[in-house]
Amino acid sequence: RKEVEQDPGPFNVPEGATVAFNCTYSNSASQSFFWYRQDCRKEPKLLMSVYSSGNEDGRFTAQLNRASQYISLLIRDSKLSDSATYLCVVRYNFNKFYFGSGTKLNVKP
Amino acid sequence: EPEVTQTPSHQVTQMGQEVILRCVPISNHLYFYWYRQILGQKVEFLVSFYNNEISEKSEIFDDQFSVERPDGSNFTLKIRSTKLEDSAMYFCASSESSGGVGNTIYFGEGSWLTVV
Repeated sequence: RKEVEQDPGPFNVPEGATVAFNCTYSNSASQSFFWYRQDCRKEPKLLMSVYSSGNEDGRFTAQLNRASQYISLLIRDSKLSDSATYLCVVRYNFNKFYFGSGTKLNVKP
Repeated sequence: EPEVTQTPSHQVTQMGQEVILRCVPISNHLYFYWYRQILGQKVEFLVSFYNNEISEKSEIFDDQFSVERPDGSNFTLKIRSTKLEDSAMYFCASSESSGGVGNTIYFGEGSWLTVV
């Protein structure tokens, strides 16, 4: 069973669209949650941490549902530059971080 | 902005050779990590390191792998006898702490290893 599961996509959306990704995790003892963004052949870069109360950063909104063990990321008003793979990351067991396989987003003009 | 730096950016090596990948974590960070990503696959945890010893390792991190912090700034990953399946991007990462708001990990740009 995978620790962290994501729909691989790709999600192909027009500029200006709203798109949402979900991620599920298997370990209920998971402690911290993050969304990272990865461009092709580049390192993962932190997009945002995910807090229990939900949090927003500009066009990006992250939600955590501990009862159902899933995390979501909503992107509003998509830009061409949002095209990337979005990685769901879960931390538990001290300092072990587990990555999902990523969801690919293509924003088209 | 402080960043994790890695060298080399790309290395080609023959099967069976030893490889050392080098990393300089962010200076005030205490936890160091190696991850790898085989082309087209997900980022996989290899090992975490704290207080000069391994704190966690995955099943991938077998006897052919080792890590070291030879001085106050460098953190290295050694692969003793490379195999074709070791070809991957290896990411070094560091975090300030293991819990709370300081537990975000920051990645270097990666070292692309090709074993031929």
